[in-house]
Amino acid sequence: DADVTQTPRNRITKTGKRIMLECSQTKGHDRMYWYRQDPGLGLRLIYYSFDVKDINKGEISDGYSVSRQAQAKFSLSLESAIPNQTALYFCATSDPGQGFGYTFGSGTRLTVV
Amino acid sequence: QQQVKQSPQSLIVQKGGIPIINCAYENTAFDYFPWYQQFPGKGPALLIAIRPDVSEKKEGRFTISFNKSAKQFSLHIMDSQPGDSATYFCAVKASGSRLTFGEGTQLTVNP
Repeated sequence: DADVTQTPRNRITKTGKRIMLECSQTKGHDRMYWYRQDPGLGLRLIYYSFDVKDINKGEISDGYSVSRQAQAKFSLSLESAIPNQTALYFCATSDPGQGFGYTFGSGTRLTVV
Repeated sequence: QQQVKQSPQSLIVQKGGIPIINCAYENTAFDYFPWYQQFPGKGPALLIAIRPDVSEKKEGRFTISFNKSAKQFSLHIMDSQPGDSATYFCAVKASGSRLTFGEGTQLTVNP
C-alpha cells in the first residue's frame, strides 16, 4: 500500500456541485497538506494541518474547505465547484523532525465542466 | 507574495548533457532548500536538499549549488539520462513552517 493514498484518482464534475477529495496516510505523521498543481504555476498550498486540532489556510484557500478526521485522514472539499478549480490536487504529509521531506500522494485530477 | 521564482519553465538536453535549473528566493529566513522530482502520473518526491550554511551538495549525479549572497540556488544533473526526464520543483522552507514551491521545470532528455 502507498504511504499516502488519494481518492478518487480522476473525477469529472459539473459546475456548482459539491465534491470531496480524500487523503489517508500510513506514515504516522501529524502534518498534512493539500496542494494544487497547475501548469506554469507550480504547487500552491490550499490548506495545511499540523495536528488533528489544527487547520490553517494556505495561499489559495478561497472556494475550498478541509476536514481533519483523524491523524491519518485529511479531506478537501469544494463546496460549489467552478471550472477554474480544474487542476491536479495533491495531498502530502511530513515529519516535523525533517520538515522539508514531504511524502506526496499520486494526485487527483479534477475536471469541472 | 512570490517567495521563490524558478527558471527555465522547460528545458531540452541531449543524453549526457548537464541541465541546470535555477531558483531565486526573496526571504533570508529560510532554513532548507529542497528539490523535488515528479514523473507523469506521480506525486513529487524529494530529490536532494541543502542548508544555507553549505555552498554545494552532491548526491550521485545531482548537485545543488547555493549562493547565499545572490539568494539563488540551482540544480545540476551530471551525465543526464532519458530516465531523468521529469518535472523538477525547487522549494524553500522557513523554520517551523511549510514548503513553498517554485513554478516547476519540465526537463526532457533526448536519447
